[in-house]
Amino acid sequence: EAQVTQNPRYLITVTGKKLTVTCSQNMNHEYMSWYRQDPGLGLRQIYYSMNVEVTDKGDVPEGYKVSRKEKRNFPLILESPSPNQTSLYFCASSVQGPRGEQYFGPGTRLTVT
Amino acid sequence: DAKTTQPTSMDCAEGRAANLPCNHSTISGNEYVYWYRQIHSQGPQYIIHGLKNNETNEMASLIITEDRKSSTLILPHATLRDTAVYYCIVPMDSNYQLIWGAGTKLIIKP
Repeated sequence: EAQVTQNPRYLITVTGKKLTVTCSQNMNHEYMSWYRQDPGLGLRQIYYSMNVEVTDKGDVPEGYKVSRKEKRNFPLILESPSPNQTSLYFCASSVQGPRGEQYFGPGTRLTVT
Repeated sequence: DAKTTQPTSMDCAEGRAANLPCNHSTISGNEYVYWYRQIHSQGPQYIIHGLKNNETNEMASLIITEDRKSSTLILPHATLRDTAVYYCIVPMDSNYQLIWGAGTKLIIKP
């Protein structure tokens, strides 16, 4: 089944403790992206990747890092999480970049205390 | 900032057509209009996109005005499972990334 998976789905952590949210897709898509969603708002893009080893900042990249060492995986790294990074995070992938149909993962709900 | 304007919420009776409007008056000539929906807090789901011709797929129809400044997403026979937030999106110029607004919360009533 074609899908985007994220792990963990839920995470409660403390300020300053490094964490990684994994994202993996099995559709051989070149484009992958991370978004965050806060109550009452639409999605805001954090980082995106047009292909392996190519990443770019989105609208809200501060406090986040990403890497794209292989096509299927696009982990999101929070080196020193803070409470304002408490949010719902989505990973997405697409065969045609942002212009094409994006497939979204189920989301990761992160709480930083 | 989002480049689209949508109503905050709408209701529709089950079995009727749901018509969701979107204004995108600053759209440029080569930008597509995209529609996604999000059911509760699940990952968004792609619905349809178009440039200037009307588009139809198994989920919905997209009607784009001739001047391309607005569009309407039509769900022809709404069901309770269509209750969701619907996002109308136009990409940014510079790098074609999608800018998401707050969307329209569509409630389908029995």
